[in-house]
Amino acid sequence: KNEVEQSPQNLTAQEGEFITINCSYSVGISALHWLQQHPGGGIVSLFMLSSGKKKHGRLIATINIQEKHSSLHITASHPRDSAVYICAVSSRGQKLVFGQGTRLTINP
Amino acid sequence: KAGVTQTPRYLIKTRGQQVTLSCSPISGHRSVSWYQQTPGQGLQFLFEYFSETQRNKGNFPGRFSGRQFSNSRSEMNVSTLELGDSALYLCASSLGTGQGIETQYFGPGTRLLVL
Repeated sequence: KNEVEQSPQNLTAQEGEFITINCSYSVGISALHWLQQHPGGGIVSLFMLSSGKKKHGRLIATINIQEKHSSLHITASHPRDSAVYICAVSSRGQKLVFGQGTRLTINP
Repeated sequence: KAGVTQTPRYLIKTRGQQVTLSCSPISGHRSVSWYQQTPGQGLQFLFEYFSETQRNKGNFPGRFSGRQFSNSRSEMNVSTLELGDSALYLCASSLGTGQGIETQYFGPGTRLLVL
């Protein structure tokens, strides 16, 4: 079993829909990271969480430390949100352990 | 501030050759981490350098090595290339407190194809 599991692996939705991507982990962590990867490979860090909830524009990330679970929500989704979303965890040090990613496609 | 830069962006090599990839971190960042991304294995941690010392290492064979210079720029080297080394190699920089609670800033990656 992978240390970091994401669901769903693929998600297709219509523009405007509310999107939820889930991440579960099985190890002790210092922080959980949500990353976005567009075609071409570049990775952008969206959030780093160690507790609670963070919001940036239409993106919201939550984490439940006791349940070892995090969710990434996108409100009012737009075709430009189409990308691969990756959950990763870090413990001591800079090493990131990654989930397998969720490929999100938003159709106009 | 300028972002993380990686050179070259694309590279084609043949089996048995060696390759050196370069990463320049964001100014002021002292930690550089390297990751390999393949369709089969996803993203995997290779190693991290801080103040010219390897601070953490992933589960890769000794053919994969790296170093960091006094200006925090880092290089990774892969010797005796194998077909399975074809991948996107990403580096990421951060301030480097070592507590695992820092945002990492990724470069655009070097896409390596081994023929």
